[in-house]
This record gives sequence, C-alpha cells and structure tokens, in this order.
Amino acid sequence: KAGVTQTPRYLIKTRGQQVTLSCSPISGHRSVSWYQQTPGQGLQFLFEYFSETQRNKGNFPGRFSGRQFSNSRSEMNVSTLELGDSALYLCASSLDGRLLSNEQFFGPGTRLTVL
Amino acid sequence: AQSVTQLGSHVSVSEGALVLLRCNYSSSVPPYLFWYVQYPNQGLQLLLKYTSAATLVKGINGFEAEFKKSETSFHLTKPSAHMSDAAEYFCAVSFYNQGGKLIFGQGTELSVKP
Repeated sequence: KAGVTQTPRYLIKTRGQQVTLSCSPISGHRSVSWYQQTPGQGLQFLFEYFSETQRNKGNFPGRFSGRQFSNSRSEMNVSTLELGDSALYLCASSLDGRLLSNEQFFGPGTRLTVL
Repeated sequence: AQSVTQLGSHVSVSEGALVLLRCNYSSSVPPYLFWYVQYPNQGLQLLLKYTSAATLVKGINGFEAEFKKSETSFHLTKPSAHMSDAAEYFCAVSFYNQGGKLIFGQGTELSVKP
C-alpha cells in the first residue's frame, strides 16, 4: 500500500505570494490532518478534514486554509506569505481521526521557504 | 490547558546504554499518548501509543513506555541503544473529543555515541 504522499517536496516563494500544498492520503483513509513544524514553535496542528469537512482547527490566522476532495485528497493554502511561514508542513492520514486506535500516518512533508 | 513537556532537548547515550526520554503531560481529562520518531528529512513514524489499555506499552524497534497517571508521565525507554536510534523523538497527546488533533512536545534529539 502506498504511503501518504505530499507534493511538492520543496518550495521557495517570496513574501506576499500564496502557495498551495497537496496531500494524498493512504487509500481508504478519510481523515487528513495538517501540521506546521518550525525550529522555534515545534509541531503545531493546523486543521483536520474528514469527509470533505473541516472537523478541527488549530490556532492559526485565516491566511491558512484547506480543503478536502471527495477522494480524500487534501490541499492547504497559505495566502500573503510571511517570512515566519517558512516551515516543514506535514500531512497525516488515518481511517478516522476520532478513533484514536487508528494510527496517524505522516507524509514526508513539504519544505516551504519564504524569501 | 492541555500541553506536553519533554525534558531535555538533547540526550546523548553510548551504544548499548539505556535510553530514557522523558515526557510529562498536563490535562484535566484522560489523554491518549503517543511517541513518534523523526529521521532527517522524513515525516513522523509512530513508535507506540497508549489508549487506556495496558499502562506498559511496547512499540517498534525495542522501545516501550509506561503511562503513570499519578505522575502525569509517559517516559520512553529502550534497554540498549543502537546507532540507528539516533533521531528526534516527539511525545504527543490527544483527546477523545478532539479527533485527529495531536498536541506535540518540543522534541528530544537523541544522539548515540559508538
């Protein structure tokens, strides 16, 4: 079974631009969560989607948004990029995030650099 | 507020020595607890999880952790370190009513000396 895939793996943008990151969960998984990882703040939860609905949201500004498609693939978008948005963005999938016996499987991440 | 604290951002052990990575949580409701490992330029891999069954949890690669409610701790141990254990380790907590949201500790980088 293929794992969680994230595209692109690396991205360089400039301040003020917007960016879209993509995550394809493991086949059959319906929950997708997004995390931001930075050296200063560590791993922080962005949001979770289940069956195309945002089910949980972290404490990030409205510039960060996401969506999930009917095939469970998810995208996250960051508008008006700031230098502080430079981070590794990780996506995780599970059968159903509410069932905590379901392991969350993480993708390799997208490394975003904002210049 | 719910939080996770990992004591020690860097831990160094000799090959063959005991590995002990400390994790304490703060929560007013029963938590589910996890340990993840991250190798350079990779995502996170689940080592083990506590979901209210046995308090001593065995995971992959010889790791285990014990849930101690009285101490609000979930420390990770391995009897004998191997060079391949060098990585960053994250303790995380989740709660029944928060679905797929994991709250992570700051991470502990484990170095293994030959």
